[in-house]
Amino acid sequence: QSALTQPASVSGSPGQSITISCTGTSSDVGKYNLVSWYQQLPGKAPRLMIYEATQRPSGASSRFSGFKVGNTASLTISGLQADDEADYHCCSYAGGSTYVFGTGTKVTVL
Amino acid sequence: EVQLEESGGTVVRPGGSLRLSCAASGFTFDDYGMSWVRQAPGKGLEWVSGINGKGGNTAYADSVKGRFTISRDNAKNSLYLQMNSLRAEDAASYHCARDCGGGCDAFDIWGQGTMVTVSS
Repeated sequence: QSALTQPASVSGSPGQSITISCTGTSSDVGKYNLVSWYQQLPGKAPRLMIYEATQRPSGASSRFSGFKVGNTASLTISGLQADDEADYHCCSYAGGSTYVFGTGTKVTVL
Repeated sequence: EVQLEESGGTVVRPGGSLRLSCAASGFTFDDYGMSWVRQAPGKGLEWVSGINGKGGNTAYADSVKGRFTISRDNAKNSLYLQMNSLRAEDAASYHCARDCGGGCDAFDIWGQGTMVTVSS
């Protein structure tokens, strides 16, 4: 149950697009299409942004999109806005009713 | 309003025990699996334990297996985490989270968390 690997930080200017990667193994990300992404604003609880690798829950902005190829999932934020500045965490189902989270990525809007 | 509220966090000595609670409201509690997820200060999220809606199926991260026990009381709309043999590395904010169900396998509702400090 090793944590999924995410870049520590990603930055972009307002209006740009950024992509955050999430790399796991053939036992988690590569085996199941059950990757989710969470936004965590400072001092707040995480908020679900993407589930099943590509699906957006109701209320999540269409500027957020998810993708997965092999052992790597990714989250793209289009049209970057100041209030997108937050920590982002990926998570994958890992079998046996267990889950594994990523190391987390801090997004900075320049 | 759908809501989760944790309680029970405090300062505990290494080797000690603690029971966390999570009160759910605004939804049919036993329709959903629930999990505990922790976050050490300045660190990422770590899934700790999960339980299905009826309470008959539980799962644990390797880091807590044999020390922590998850349970629920559907009549009280409450989730619990019994933590024994606490270690310094268990210090974190503990969040309860709702599994969104229907094959979604993600956590759609989160509580604000309760802080556990392990220190002598």
